[in-house]
Amino acid sequence: DQQVKQNSPSLSVQEGRISILNCDYTNSMFDYFLWYKKYPAEGPTFLISISSIKDKNEDGRFTVFLNKSAKHLSLHIVPSQPGDSAVYFCAASASGSSYKLIFGSGTRLLVRP
Amino acid sequence: NAGVTQTPKFQVLKTGQSMTLQCAQDMNHNSMYWYRQDPGMGLRLIYYSASEGTTDKGEVPNGYNVSRLNKREFSLRLESAAPSQTSVYFCASNPDRTNYEQYFGPGTRLTVT
Repeated sequence: DQQVKQNSPSLSVQEGRISILNCDYTNSMFDYFLWYKKYPAEGPTFLISISSIKDKNEDGRFTVFLNKSAKHLSLHIVPSQPGDSAVYFCAASASGSSYKLIFGSGTRLLVRP
Repeated sequence: NAGVTQTPKFQVLKTGQSMTLQCAQDMNHNSMYWYRQDPGMGLRLIYYSASEGTTDKGEVPNGYNVSRLNKREFSLRLESAAPSQTSVYFCASNPDRTNYEQYFGPGTRLTVT
């Protein structure tokens, strides 16, 4: 049973518009959430994170929103750029779990020029 | 500062052969992790090491062994490779016990025929 779910395998948006990537989780013990970006033939790179004590975290064009009651988080990219085209993974962790990450299956984002 | 390095980049094995995937980090990180990535399944944790001299099982440990040789190096061994172990393998490290962010290597693409 997947504890972290990314239900949209792919997303296509126009350059300059907003990209919204979604992630749902089932384990209420998760208290830290991360987004990773992955280009082909490379390892994932950290993008942004959020602790469960917050509901929003912003870093430049990237904002992560957390809705604990709905067990849902989203990543907003504004404005989207062609270089943002990649696979985005949502990950979650629980305190006391040796900082292990549980990953979603990923969403492939394509930003069209 | 090379970050996390992995060798080899590519490997083809026949069923039943053995091999060791090497991982090293030069960031003085305590924790290290091995993941496998399969299409549509995200990254799944195989084994991890919270500190030098300790190792623990992750979500999918069957068919693998690990060694934390020292603080820098964490190897993954397949004793008798099976086609189901065809995957991309990523090694990662974590800087300290209060930071959930993991830094990933470039990956090893393994094919078992």
